[in-house]
Amino acid sequence: QKEVEQDPGPLSVPEGAIVSLNCTYSNSAFQYFMWYRQYSRKGPELLMYTYSSGNKEDGRFTAQVDKSSKYISLFIRDSQPSDSATYLCAMSPRPGYALNFGKGTSLLVTP
Amino acid sequence: EAGVTQFPSHSVIEKGQTVTLRCDPISGHDNLYWYRRVMGKEIKFLLHFVKESKQDESGMPNNRFLAERTGGTYSTLKVQPAELEDSGVYFCASSLQTGIGEKLFFGSGTQLSVL
Repeated sequence: QKEVEQDPGPLSVPEGAIVSLNCTYSNSAFQYFMWYRQYSRKGPELLMYTYSSGNKEDGRFTAQVDKSSKYISLFIRDSQPSDSATYLCAMSPRPGYALNFGKGTSLLVTP
Repeated sequence: EAGVTQFPSHSVIEKGQTVTLRCDPISGHDNLYWYRRVMGKEIKFLLHFVKESKQDESGMPNNRFLAERTGGTYSTLKVQPAELEDSGVYFCASSLQTGIGEKLFFGSGTQLSVL
């Protein structure tokens, strides 16, 4: 069983839709959870960083962590064509430790 | 402010040859990481430098891979001799300091193709 599972998609939504992206994981030691956005031919860019369970909101983005279910989510409200990218979840047991990435979900927001 | 710079952006070599990838982190960033993405797989950790010291090299696949960070500035990752399975995108990332909320800045990666 992979440590981090993420549906690769592709996921296609119309502009303005609410997008839900998810990852599950198996290692209960993971405490720090991140979402990265990666545009084509670019490196991953940190979007959201959360510690342990709970919600965090930043503009149109909301990250949720449910450690009891080993499930994390990223919600994008009022999605825009510029949100079209691959979204990667990542997690680690401690800061500064190696990140464990999901495979990434490819998102396309159509005008 | 310049971001993390990696070169070359692409490298095509034959099996058995040597390739050296270079990463210039953001100035002042003590932490430097190497990651790799093999086609169809997730991004995997290779190693972590703090200044010029290897903090964690548990992800290095074998002794054909050698990473250095001279003077705690830029880093090189050498693959010698290269094998077909080494093909993939090699990412470098840097951060100012570890701790809760550590923000890694990634370069655009080097696409390595071993034929």
